[in-house]
Amino acid sequence: SQQGEEDPQALSIQEGENATMNCSYKTSINNLQWYRQNSGRGLVHLILIRSNEREKHSGRLRVTLDTSKKSSSLLITASRAADTASYFCATVKTNNNDMRFGAGTRLTVKP
Amino acid sequence: KAGVTQTPRYLIKTRGQQVTLSCSPISGHRSVSWYQQTPGQGLQFLFEYFSETQRNKGNFPGRFSGRQFSNSRSEMNVSTLELGDSALYLCASSLGGLSTEAFFGQGTRLTVV
Repeated sequence: SQQGEEDPQALSIQEGENATMNCSYKTSINNLQWYRQNSGRGLVHLILIRSNEREKHSGRLRVTLDTSKKSSSLLITASRAADTASYFCATVKTNNNDMRFGAGTRLTVKP
Repeated sequence: KAGVTQTPRYLIKTRGQQVTLSCSPISGHRSVSWYQQTPGQGLQFLFEYFSETQRNKGNFPGRFSGRQFSNSRSEMNVSTLELGDSALYLCASSLGGLSTEAFFGQGTRLTVV
């Protein structure tokens, strides 16, 4: 069963705009990771944020984590058509014995 | 540096048969984990191997099994295939396991007819 819930399920924006995706989860976690997947292919790791961290940046990506609300957000700034993909959050439980993925957000960036 | 390699890329099997999928991790990575992706259930964790030992296991029936060899290559086996086993099977390798950055292969698309 899935741990996280992402919203929105689908997001369509214009190139240059920012995209924000949210992820909520249920149990205590060791870390939360965001992945991108293009058209049913392999996943690409974007960012890993640990439970004692609140924010991380990587290029145009910004991830926040609020463990009190059991939620995380992924912000993609100045989006490009190449950012079109599905984005998944994945949580690793506190005892590191399980990784759970959310259902994903399908992002479409129109040129 | 070569990425994670999964073979075969596509597979068609009949109900009741068994199948073995292979995953070669990135050189130096000791952890290999397996995932099943379906439209209905999404991405689900199957199991993780580290240094030839199954370290973690998801909630799948015993028909799903795996192993890891001394060179860190891993195989996943599904016995007595069911139509619902049709899915994209992904493997990922990492240095330290589930709490470290994982690198995914392109997956094996299994169709059970």
